[in-house]
Amino acid sequence: GEDVEQSLFLSVREGDSSVINCTYTDSSSTYLYWYKQEPGAGLQLLTYIFSNMDMKQDQRLTVLLNKKDKHLSLRIADTQTGDSAIYFCADQTGANNLFFGTGTRLTVIP
Amino acid sequence: EPEVTQTPSHQVTQMGQEVILRCVPISNHLYFYWYRQILGQKVEFLVSFYNNEISEKSEIFDDQFSVERPDGSNFTLKIRSTKLEDSAMYFCASSEARAQPQHFGDGTRLSIL
Repeated sequence: GEDVEQSLFLSVREGDSSVINCTYTDSSSTYLYWYKQEPGAGLQLLTYIFSNMDMKQDQRLTVLLNKKDKHLSLRIADTQTGDSAIYFCADQTGANNLFFGTGTRLTVIP
Repeated sequence: EPEVTQTPSHQVTQMGQEVILRCVPISNHLYFYWYRQILGQKVEFLVSFYNNEISEKSEIFDDQFSVERPDGSNFTLKIRSTKLEDSAMYFCASSEARAQPQHFGDGTRLSIL
């Protein structure tokens, strides 16, 4: 089955850029997603990219997709303390369900 | 902004009891989903629902699970005879159409004693 992997932890200083990486295995991905989960809260859809795109920018967020290497990244510019959360990468294949990574816990140091 | 709402936020149940988790999807969405996240593990797909029937389900979604849309707004997940290993966070999600972004609720934390 599909396997989505992320590193578990990332620490950055406030004001720096954060880059969260994700790899996946399924070649038939349609959309790839980034969700944010704050403590005690649900999964907030941050952004997504269609599989035939290379890049998508949305304010401070930039998503890069390398389909050949099956690599997805999320860059957060000017990271703020409010960005501290767990970030989940998710892959939507030909089936309608999402496959999630383990989540990356981003800690922003003031 | 419209959102998916789930109740209760926390449910504690004795092993062997039935439990019903409730969700109100976003009103113009047509596809509904349940996922679960066991503590320390990945979020896993359970089931998707469209046009009043299950469209896809995972291996996890066995005979002890069922879903229903009892009225025009609610979408429920029933676990018939709960086991300790059913303890998890259960997330409901909805999307406008197939292969469209899925919007999640805040989840219900289910604790089986």
